[in-house]
Amino acid sequence: DIQMTQSPSSLSASVGDRVTITCRASQDISNFLAWFQQKPGKAPKSLIYAASSLQSGVPSKFSGSGSGTDFTLTISSLQAEDFATYYCQQSNSYPITFGGGTKVEIK
Amino acid sequence: EVQLVESGGGLVQPGGSLRLSCAASGFTFSNYWMSWVRQAPGKGLEWVANIKQDGSEKYYVDSVKGRFTISRDNAKNSLYLQMNSLRAEDTAVYYCARYCTNGVCSYRLFDYWGQGTLVTVSS
Repeated sequence: DIQMTQSPSSLSASVGDRVTITCRASQDISNFLAWFQQKPGKAPKSLIYAASSLQSGVPSKFSGSGSGTDFTLTISSLQAEDFATYYCQQSNSYPITFGGGTKVEIK
Repeated sequence: EVQLVESGGGLVQPGGSLRLSCAASGFTFSNYWMSWVRQAPGKGLEWVANIKQDGSEKYYVDSVKGRFTISRDNAKNSLYLQMNSLRAEDTAVYYCARYCTNGVCSYRLFDYWGQGTLVTVSS
């Protein structure tokens, strides 16, 4: 199975900050990497697919990069509505696996 | 508008069974792979199962193989998850998700999710 390791597991940031979350795959997954945002009590929402493509309707402050085993999600200027938990997920091979999540909290 | 609405969750005793349903609307259901993803209380996301458009291919996470069965009825625009021999560790919110992949998308993505249904396995 492919293990997805996210770092950090949590972070505190201020409105306006630039935030970067890292995801590492235990083996090469090409660009079969997606990012999701989840707020408490809500379903996950897709942000990025194919490592760097922005899902329709998602603001351009979100961006993704990487290929192979190392990936990043960047939020260019954090706003109040962005405080949430973020997950990476690989779909290169079964079983599909998610990272453990990164909780972004208000400083 | 794409909508996925799960139902069928509840409290069940260990060893018991439950059948989850997901009603889909707003898209051509038979064109898409579909999935179940779960989230234990306070924990992260875990993929459970995928099913191909015509039901001819199914994939499961190891922890549910032989106990859970994913199925679909394209005539009813519905996805199902039959869960047998339930364990305490199956307690979670179960999400139905559309999996955009081969034949429709050039990428692979859980692009739409339902609101989830809670399954609690406890005596």
